[in-house]
Amino acid sequence: GDSVTQMEGPVTLSEEAFLTINCTYTATGYPSLFWYVQYPGEGLQLLLKATKADDKGSNKGFEATYRKETTSFHLEKGSVQVSDSAVYFCALSGNSGNTPLVFGKGTRLSVIA
Amino acid sequence: GAVVSQHPSWVICKSGTSVKIECRSLDFQATTMFWYRQFPKQSLMLMATSNEGSKATYEQGVEKDKFLINHASLTLSTLTVTSAHPEDSSFYICSAGGLKETQYFGPGTRLLVL
Repeated sequence: GDSVTQMEGPVTLSEEAFLTINCTYTATGYPSLFWYVQYPGEGLQLLLKATKADDKGSNKGFEATYRKETTSFHLEKGSVQVSDSAVYFCALSGNSGNTPLVFGKGTRLSVIA
Repeated sequence: GAVVSQHPSWVICKSGTSVKIECRSLDFQATTMFWYRQFPKQSLMLMATSNEGSKATYEQGVEKDKFLINHASLTLSTLTVTSAHPEDSSFYICSAGGLKETQYFGPGTRLLVL
């Protein structure tokens, strides 16, 4: 079945450091890819998404590019802030809002001042 | 943007009691909603797919008689944890399908069974 593999955390970075969180997937067909963020004690918020190959999703300084040839959707940010500390989930779904998401295990990011 | 609410956000109950969690899509209609469960420091695991006007579809290993799901309208799905026990303590999150492949998540309900 479909699956998502994320790099293991936790990741600890200093403020203004460069962030990469790796995500690869296995799926049949052409899934949509997502990054969700979960702040402490809260639910999930959509961070960015891409629905087809070579699409780049971006939001709040975060970016991820849908790479079909490497089945990857790595999350990057050029300069992290303390407020970016959260758990980040990579996910995929079929091309419908009525399809459940398959999540990676999540990567906990801690940014220190 | 689309908003999904959950109520309650926190619930503490005694072992053996039942707890109902509501999930509402506030500004859009959702024929399908999903219920996930998240254990501490772990990922979300799909429990069931809630379909408006029909029976829910449960994932393997999820007891349908334990976790009752009702999707009575296009904006409301409920999850009832029956005869709750301490091992049911968890963070329960619902989501609803929106436009363009996006799902919108509720803020979650933290259940603690004593």
